[in-house]
Amino acid sequence: QMQLVESGGGVVQPGGSLRLSCGASGFRFRSYGIHWVRQAPGKGLDWVAFIWHDGDKKSYPDSVKGRFNITRDNSANTVFLQMSRLKAEDTAVYYCAKASGMSNGYMDVWGKGTTVTVSS
Amino acid sequence: EFVLTQSPGTLSLSPGERATLSCRASQTISSNFLAWYQQKPGQAPRLLIYGASRRASGIPDRFSGSGSGTHFTLTISRLEPDDFAVYYCQQYGNSPEWTFGQGTKVEV
Repeated sequence: QMQLVESGGGVVQPGGSLRLSCGASGFRFRSYGIHWVRQAPGKGLDWVAFIWHDGDKKSYPDSVKGRFNITRDNSANTVFLQMSRLKAEDTAVYYCAKASGMSNGYMDVWGKGTTVTVSS
Repeated sequence: EFVLTQSPGTLSLSPGERATLSCRASQTISSNFLAWYQQKPGQAPRLLIYGASRRASGIPDRFSGSGSGTHFTLTISRLEPDDFAVYYCQQYGNSPEWTFGQGTKVEV
């Protein structure tokens, strides 16, 4: 059974940093891209990062570019999201999601999410 | 900037009724790479439809997707109590940029 489990969320002050992890099981991890998607309280879904299957390419929306860094360790079936210079508007539930392909595709498996709160 | 606009914002229906949800794109979606997701309160989204009209594994056939180009539709033929949720469309044809619509809430 394909599964993703996020961890690392918590409360952080504005301007601080946090590192999220996403552990995968039940599928050939190194063959698929992985997304991070967030959802602010009471709001819709917001894509924040994507990493290609081999980790060679990454993509971000302008809202987080230069502050967030996505990486992966295919030997450990894990993707990371390093978040820095955090703002109040980064407060959200962060989900990782498996892409259906190596470099693109729909999001066919989702984790349950981890909550990030940016507050002083 | 690629924008997906969903309508209506809220759809008030009863069990057994038909639900029709719209998703309009600001640009043509390449290869009809359009997906639909269902999200219930406190849960992660779940994939329903991909490629505009292909049902994901385990999705009942009362869910169907249609459309092409810039206009797409999700139809729930006969609403069941478990179908009351928020539905999002998402495009993946404009890689490396992925975009969600703002969501449509289907309520009783």
